Amino acid sequence: GNSVTQMEGPVTLSEEAFLTINCTYTATGYPSLFWYVQYPGEGLQLLLKATKADDKGSNKGFEATYRKETTSFHLEKGSVQVSDSAVYFCARYSSASKIIFGSGTRLSIRP
Amino acid sequence: DVKVTQSSRYLVKRTGEKVFLECVQDMDHENMFWYRQDPGLGLRLIYFSYDVKMKEKGDIPEGYSVSREKKERFSLILESASTNQTSMYLCASSSGLGTDTQYFGPGTRLTVL
Repeated sequence: GNSVTQMEGPVTLSEEAFLTINCTYTATGYPSLFWYVQYPGEGLQLLLKATKADDKGSNKGFEATYRKETTSFHLEKGSVQVSDSAVYFCARYSSASKIIFGSGTRLSIRP
Repeated sequence: DVKVTQSSRYLVKRTGEKVFLECVQDMDHENMFWYRQDPGLGLRLIYFSYDVKMKEKGDIPEGYSVSREKKERFSLILESASTNQTSMYLCASSSGLGTDTQYFGPGTRLTVL
């Protein structure tokens, strides 16, 4: 089964709302964790990553903290914008340069 | 910046046709990957390659093959396209064995009629 589980979408928020997208993983050890973002009509871009427990990844106002106790890597942003509308993928490193992706969460921001 | 390009953004083919999807990266990356993306299923790995002429099956290789004759180019081949291969296909690359960050192309949306 899939070893990365993220909250199902779609998620719809108003501009300037607080965002959380939950992500949990199963793994042996402490693999690198990622959030990728896919804007409409584009491929995936790395949004942020964390390579070890307790690390916090951040970029463009988004943050996620590697929590080994809860095997989680939730994505947060304090004040979302319309331009943040996209699909967000949580992922973890697998082995030999492979990555396992979650199913994606579609986020829509209303003006 | 790493650039990964894919030969087509949109492609429409008929059942039974042979289909080639091309991917080129310009950063001398060792690793290249092909995924398909379907709603609710996320990205699933079809094939990957660690070096020229090397290939490994991913999670869903059935119905696909690949070719890597040059380091910068990784081709996905559908020998006989079927309607259940209608999907978004994404190519990615990363710099070397054990490296974790992958860089993606814009994707090819393939429709098989």
